[in-house]
Amino acid sequence: AQSVSQHNHHVILSEAASLELGCNYSYGGTVNLFWYVQYPGQHLQLLLKYFSGDPLVKGIKGFEAEFIKSKFSFNLRKPSVQWSDTAEYFCAVNTGRRALTFGSGTRLQVQP
Amino acid sequence: SQTIHQWPATLVQPVGSPLSLECTVEGTSNPNLYWYRQAAGRGLQLLFYSVGIGQISSEVPQNLSASRPQDRQFILSSKKLLLSDSGFYLCAWSPGRDRKNTEAFFGQGTRLTVV
Repeated sequence: AQSVSQHNHHVILSEAASLELGCNYSYGGTVNLFWYVQYPGQHLQLLLKYFSGDPLVKGIKGFEAEFIKSKFSFNLRKPSVQWSDTAEYFCAVNTGRRALTFGSGTRLQVQP
Repeated sequence: SQTIHQWPATLVQPVGSPLSLECTVEGTSNPNLYWYRQAAGRGLQLLFYSVGIGQISSEVPQNLSASRPQDRQFILSSKKLLLSDSGFYLCAWSPGRDRKNTEAFFGQGTRLTVV
């Protein structure tokens, strides 16, 4: 069965710091990978996605993620965070057989 | 464009009362539909998904059930709520025919408090 692990549950950063959130999945076949973001009081929104091709994908608001197949990872990065990036971030995987499977989420708090 | 509507936004119900949460999608046909529950520190747990009218797959045995009476309507129900049913419930849809395009779009969610 597919599963997703997010090891950072709560991250606190100062503005302008660099961000990397870890995401690992367990599935041996072809996967589609996603990062969703949930800003306070808002609904889940897609940040970026990987289906195939270039393993370095760029999303909205300066976020990017790198798919490393050998490590079963899809880490999210941003060179310089802003206060407005305070949100909860979810990694998700879909193998095409069932619905998206989500990680437990990482709460990011950016201090001004 | 496609939109997803989920209501109510908040709900407070007594233990033992019934539940009905409704979700509708507009602007698309034959969508895949999903119900998730979001709990703090536990991410999103898939409860049910549906690939067509009357076709429901249950992911977790529980006190809840789902139905899809129309192509773009998905209902989450319970005959008797438990305290443990409290949580944030999210409806989502994804394009049904193109299996490569598996991005899901979420509704605003329903905050259910069972008292």
